[in-house]
Amino acid sequence: AQKVTQAQTEISVVEKEDVTLDCVYETRDTTYYLFWYKQPPSGELVFLIRRNSFDEQNEISGRYSWNFQKSTSSFNFTITASQVVDSAVYFCALSAPGAQKLVFGQGTRLTINP
Amino acid sequence: GAVVSQHPSWVICKSGTSVKIECRSLDFQATTMFWYRQFPKQSLMLMATSNEGSKATYEQGVEKDKFLINHASLTLSTLTVTSAHPEDSSFYICSVGQGEKTQYFGPGTRLLVL
Repeated sequence: AQKVTQAQTEISVVEKEDVTLDCVYETRDTTYYLFWYKQPPSGELVFLIRRNSFDEQNEISGRYSWNFQKSTSSFNFTITASQVVDSAVYFCALSAPGAQKLVFGQGTRLTINP
Repeated sequence: GAVVSQHPSWVICKSGTSVKIECRSLDFQATTMFWYRQFPKQSLMLMATSNEGSKATYEQGVEKDKFLINHASLTLSTLTVTSAHPEDSSFYICSVGQGEKTQYFGPGTRLLVL
């Protein structure tokens, strides 16, 4: 069975601080996809990144970066120089090839204080 | 990515009535759509996979006779909550998958059953 764990329920930091959101996953599949989504107060899920299991290269997109480590089954997300607009709930998710459906973690509520 | 719309964005109804929620893929022909439910401060849970021209596949614990899904065209899937009760109050979100790669989510429908 697939499982995604986001141990941090809530994180609160002051603006401009760096913050890392943890994600640990479990799967028996050798091929799989990992995702991060942002859910602002409006509720709509915003796609941030997809990573397949064969690509362990870290990725950076502006202030966002992702660290994928298969050895520890982790796919952590870091926001540098955080801004108030980054406040949202962030979900890590996992899918198996062909299944398409996503298994979500519990989400981390991130609050950036001015 | 795919553009997905949902209608209505929110609905309030009396207990015992039925509510229909529409999910439209505006720029992508979707043979498969997904319906998720999210209770307050909780994660998204997959309810069912909607397949164009065939029966939906429901997740364990989801009553197919209560949550009717119709996927009559490549751009429209509907979810009908029959005989809604207060415990059905939730945030319902649909998504469109582009192969194995990425799911794009609609803006969600907030249902409140009085």
